[in-house]
Amino acid sequence: QVQLHQSGPGLVKPSETLSLNCNVSGDSVRNYYWNWIRQPPGQRLEWIGYTVYGGSDNYNPSFKSRVSISVDTSKNQFSLKLSSVTAADTAVYYCARSPTVLLRHFDFWGQGTLVTVSS
Amino acid sequence: DNVLTQSPGTLSLSLGERASLSCRASQSVSSSYLAWYRQKPGQPPRLLIYGTSNRATGVADRISGSGSGTEFTLTINGLEPEDFAVYYCQQSKSSPYTFGQGTKVEMK
Repeated sequence: QVQLHQSGPGLVKPSETLSLNCNVSGDSVRNYYWNWIRQPPGQRLEWIGYTVYGGSDNYNPSFKSRVSISVDTSKNQFSLKLSSVTAADTAVYYCARSPTVLLRHFDFWGQGTLVTVSS
Repeated sequence: DNVLTQSPGTLSLSLGERASLSCRASQSVSSSYLAWYRQKPGQPPRLLIYGTSNRATGVADRISGSGSGTEFTLTINGLEPEDFAVYYCQQSKSSPYTFGQGTKVEMK
């Protein structure tokens, strides 16, 4: 059974970079597509982007050049970096898996991390 | 972006009743790329349906999905206590992948 466990700070200062990790157990990060999704308070879920080992990343244009998602095979984890954060980036952030490039739903999720952007 | 609009916003029903949730897309979605999730407070979403009508592992067969083009429906027959939650549809036909705003199924 695949399990995703998130880690990272719950408080980030404005203009700094938000960094979260998602550790994968039960399978290898060399397989599948690995996503980050967020949910601002009282708002709908918002897909941030995905990475795939040895392939091309795909990001939501809403985040322009602020976002980077990468895989670390040595730790079997993947990471999110979101730069120049503002209060609008306050949200619960989730990591999630997509089975294949053609099956792009999210079948396994991390537990979620509430990230608050505040000085 | 392909905007997904769910209706109703809230559905008030009793145990044992049938719930019918709607998801309308602003652009056509191939049936392969429409999914439904259930979310309870403080928990991540859980995949229920993918490819419009395929139940995810462990999902009860009283939960079903249907639809095509821009109109999709999630149906839950015989509501049980664990069914009272918020439900989201999601499309992955075109990037950026998008979610609906959610339908809350609450106990009457």
